[in-house]
Amino acid sequence: SQKIEQNSEALNIQEGKTATLTCNYTNYSPAYLQWYRQDPGRGPVFLLLIRENEKEKRKERLKVTFDTTLKQSLFHITASQPADSATYLCALPTNAGNMLTFGGGTRLMVKP
Amino acid sequence: DTAVSQTPKYLVTQMGNDKSIKCEQNLGHDTMYWYKQDSKKFLKIMFSYNNKELIINETVPNRFSPKSPDKAHLNLHINSLELGDSAVYFCASSQGFQENSPLHFGNGTRLTVT
Repeated sequence: SQKIEQNSEALNIQEGKTATLTCNYTNYSPAYLQWYRQDPGRGPVFLLLIRENEKEKRKERLKVTFDTTLKQSLFHITASQPADSATYLCALPTNAGNMLTFGGGTRLMVKP
Repeated sequence: DTAVSQTPKYLVTQMGNDKSIKCEQNLGHDTMYWYKQDSKKFLKIMFSYNNKELIINETVPNRFSPKSPDKAHLNLHINSLELGDSAVYFCASSQGFQENSPLHFGNGTRLTVT
């Protein structure tokens, strides 16, 4: 089965810097990959989807890359703000349709 | 307007009891899910329903029984609660099962079994 690895240690960065989070998977390359944001006490919120034939996807200050050779996706937040502090989860579909498997998430802390 | 709503938000109960969690979505989606998030924050799929029909049951004990009276509702009933059932349970919905549509999550139900 697919294993998804995200850095379980919190990432602490200074406001204004670029945050880079990593998502690695171990088995087959999925047709797409999704990123979600989760705040304490809340459900995950969808941010971006990137397909296997897309190298890069952008949305405002967010950028996602997808390298099927490395079996890795990188999630970047440029000009980070304290309000970006949250846990970020990557998710990949399993072979069974749209059923998503989630990574354990990386907690991002942006300090003013 | 709340897109995916779950009740209750908190549930504290004793071992052996039976409890239910309700979920409703007003997005007009065809597919609904239950996920469990444990203390290590891993989100694991439990069930998926498409148009009121069970699609996926991910080796969940049969003490857990989902019920979908219509496309907009997916309730979760748990019998004979055990300590290990303590977790946050999230309901989610998406437009379609085979498509790559994103999931819309509720804000979770924190279940504590004592």
